[in-house]
Amino acid sequence: GAVVSQHPSWVICKSGTSVKIECRSLDFQATTMFWYRQFPKQSLMLMATSNEGSKATYEQGVEKDKFLINHASLTLSTLTVTSAHPEDSSFYICSARGGVADTDTQYFGPGTRLTVL
Amino acid sequence: AQTVTQSQPEMSVQEAETVTLSCTYDTSESDYYLFWYKQPPSRQMILVIRQEAYKQQNATENRFSVNFQKAAKSFSLKISDSQLGDAAMYFCAYRNSNSGYALNFGKGTSLLVTP
Repeated sequence: GAVVSQHPSWVICKSGTSVKIECRSLDFQATTMFWYRQFPKQSLMLMATSNEGSKATYEQGVEKDKFLINHASLTLSTLTVTSAHPEDSSFYICSARGGVADTDTQYFGPGTRLTVL
Repeated sequence: AQTVTQSQPEMSVQEAETVTLSCTYDTSESDYYLFWYKQPPSRQMILVIRQEAYKQQNATENRFSVNFQKAAKSFSLKISDSQLGDAAMYFCAYRNSNSGYALNFGKGTSLLVTP
């Protein structure tokens, strides 16, 4: 149980285009999802916290107009990188707070590698 | 803000041996959770073990166990009978019980397992 999927697993795009990444909790309802960014050989940095039906809460230094987060249902959150530039190239990981019986644990998706040319 | 420190960027262990990864954290809270996550080359984050701060008993999951020292704010991970598949990055993480559910990660320890 507690499986989180991400799609796509990797994407290459041209500078200036927008890219959408989906995060789904497959076998549980996730009222809260999180988006992280990870640079090579570094730790995970929290970008934003996403609660179903409300606006995301962004960490300091994260541009909310550039990284649009939508959490329209209990099983789906999306991250859209708008007008992507090469410096946005990174590994993006989502996680979902566990279901009713397991709310204290986060389960992670497999990540999405974004390369902006 | 809470900080999580992993002072060992890299560790090495021989197959079947035991290794301990260290983690310290800084907090003024009394109620919180601590986690160890494993990130293999696939980069999928996998929960290894979790510890609730209010529990005195150290958590154990098969070959993985922790040494939780609340007063010292230390949370080390012991891997017994190390296997080649244990090779990965290991991240220690902290979560405050009262202010959201976001995790605060340490910088990670890269574990190499040699035959």
